[in-house]
Amino acid sequence: AQSVTQLGSHVSVSEGALVLLRCNYSSSVPPYLFWYVQYPNQGLQLLLKYTTGATLVKGINGFEAEFKKSETSFHLTKPSAHMSDAAEYFCAVSLPPFGNEKLTFGTGTRLTIIP
Amino acid sequence: DTGVSQDPRHKITKRGQNVTFRCDPISEHNRLYWYRQTLGQGPEFLTYFQNEAQLEKSRLLSDRFSAERPKGSFSTLEIQRTEQGDSAMYLCASRGGQANTEAFFGQGTRLTVV
Repeated sequence: AQSVTQLGSHVSVSEGALVLLRCNYSSSVPPYLFWYVQYPNQGLQLLLKYTTGATLVKGINGFEAEFKKSETSFHLTKPSAHMSDAAEYFCAVSLPPFGNEKLTFGTGTRLTIIP
Repeated sequence: DTGVSQDPRHKITKRGQNVTFRCDPISEHNRLYWYRQTLGQGPEFLTYFQNEAQLEKSRLLSDRFSAERPKGSFSTLEIQRTEQGDSAMYLCASRGGQANTEAFFGQGTRLTVV
């Protein structure tokens, strides 16, 4: 079975500062990894995903994440925070194809941007 | 293409009543998922359909819960004899059949049981 741990349920950064949201995973096979963003009372929007190939993945809104197998990590970063980045962020894992590819989510990190 | 649509967006019901939610996936998406999200938690998988076949159900889906996708298009999730612990956001997602395709989420139905 796979699982995800997100370190830090709340993260605050100043506008213009680096954003770093941490995610560690556990999986018996090489996983697919995802970051989703959720705004209040909204569904989830995919920021980026890692399946195979290049371990540094770029997503929307200037976010990127690096898959590090040796550290079982998939941390999300953004060089310069913007007020519009304030939201809840979820890391998720699924098993590769030939399964149903259901997502297993972490508990989320609420990102607050300080003006 | 208007994305994944869920109805209603909000539902308040009294304990013991039955409720039904509807999800309209993106057309031509043959895979459909239901998730439940409680306050302060990440979404948890409930069930999965490929076309009209329900292929997996989570242990979270007690016998009071039933989901259908009768024609392989829209899906319904029914909760019978609702309990306060059923209060949550119910999210629907759909994706195409090709590998590596993205799952698109609806805006969810927020259920409050009073």
